[in-house]
Amino acid sequence: GEDVEQSLFLSVREGDSSVINCTYTDSSSTYLYWYKQEPGAGLQLLTYIFSNMDMKQDQRLTVLLNKKDKHLSLRIADTQTGDSAIYFCAEITRGSYIPTFGRGTSLIVHP
Amino acid sequence: NAGVTQTPKFQVLKTGQSMTLQCAQDMNHNSMYWYRQDPGMGLRLIYYSASEGTTDKGEVPNGYNVSRLNKREFSLRLESAAPSQTSVYFCASTQANEKLFFGSGTQLSVL
Repeated sequence: GEDVEQSLFLSVREGDSSVINCTYTDSSSTYLYWYKQEPGAGLQLLTYIFSNMDMKQDQRLTVLLNKKDKHLSLRIADTQTGDSAIYFCAEITRGSYIPTFGRGTSLIVHP
Repeated sequence: NAGVTQTPKFQVLKTGQSMTLQCAQDMNHNSMYWYRQDPGMGLRLIYYSASEGTTDKGEVPNGYNVSRLNKREFSLRLESAAPSQTSVYFCASTQANEKLFFGSGTQLSVL
């Protein structure tokens, strides 16, 4: 079946940039997403990118998509303690009703 | 707009008891989903409803039933709760398989 993989943990110092990586297997993916989950809360859509785009920037967030390598990344500039959360990568294919999620990357931001 | 609303937020059951988790969305979305989230397992799809009047099994449907009551509401029923069903449950909805919006979750403990 289709698969989305992420590393489980990332630790960064406050003020540094964070880069969270994700790989996926479905070459038919049409939408790719990044969700943020804070402790005790639901998943909040952070940003998304269409498969015909290479990059999307939204304030401190930059999403890069390498379709050839099926690699998606989320860069958070000037990481703050409030960015500490679990980040999920997800993809969905046109014609499918089922998004596929990675297992999430726990981002820990320390002073 | 409330988005996706789940009730209850917390529930404790004894083994063998039954209960229904409620979910409603006010975004006129066609598709709705129930996920469970367990530590280290990421999100696992229990059931989904691609459109009003249809429901389909996801990855982990055993022990659950669902009802798509109307376009707004999608409920999840545990007929005879088991300790293995202790989890956090999330409802989600989407329109045209684009952005997926999540509720804030139900934390269920089965003793």
